[in-house]
Amino acid sequence: RKEVEQDPGPFNVPEGATVAFNCTYSNSASQSFFWYRQDCRKEPKLLMSVYSSGNEDGRFTAQLNRASQYISLLIRDSKLSDSATYLCVVNMMDMRFGAGTRLTVKP
Amino acid sequence: DTGVSQDPRHKITKRGQNVTFRCDPISEHNRLYWYRQTLGQGPEFLTYFQNEAQLEKSRLLSDRFSAERPKGSFSTLEIQRTEQGDSAMYLCASSLPGERSNGYTFGSGTRLTVV
Repeated sequence: RKEVEQDPGPFNVPEGATVAFNCTYSNSASQSFFWYRQDCRKEPKLLMSVYSSGNEDGRFTAQLNRASQYISLLIRDSKLSDSATYLCVVNMMDMRFGAGTRLTVKP
Repeated sequence: DTGVSQDPRHKITKRGQNVTFRCDPISEHNRLYWYRQTLGQGPEFLTYFQNEAQLEKSRLLSDRFSAERPKGSFSTLEIQRTEQGDSAMYLCASSLPGERSNGYTFGSGTRLTVV
């Protein structure tokens, strides 16, 4: 079993849609959690941290369920500029990345 | 520029040749990480340093790979006797140890093509 598994995607949605990504992780000792965004042929960039209480940053909402070892990212009112690959990241002693889910937002 | 710098940005080499990549982390970051990313996959952990000490190495890091951070500042990743399967993006990242909750900062990567 992979350490971090994500929805395979790709997701193709119209502008204004709401889209949700899911992620599961295998190591219950994982300490912190993140979503990163990666544009084509660019480096990953931190989108947001994920906290047990859930957290929101504008149109983005992240949630963590430690009991189920599950992380989610919700994007509301999708913009064309949201098109990218979204990487689920779990931190133990170092960061372990999921394979990523590709999102394309279309006009 | 106060970000993470990697050099070169692109490297094309013939199979069997040795290559070396350099990473300059953010100056106050004492942790430095190397990752490898192939098309359609997320970054895979290779190794990390805290100051000059190499604290963890992935089993992905075969005997042909070696990483150093001699003075606890910049780091180098060397691949000896390159193989076509080594073709990938090699990413460097840095962080402070207390920033586990704040993520890492990545460099732009070195794209290696072995022909």
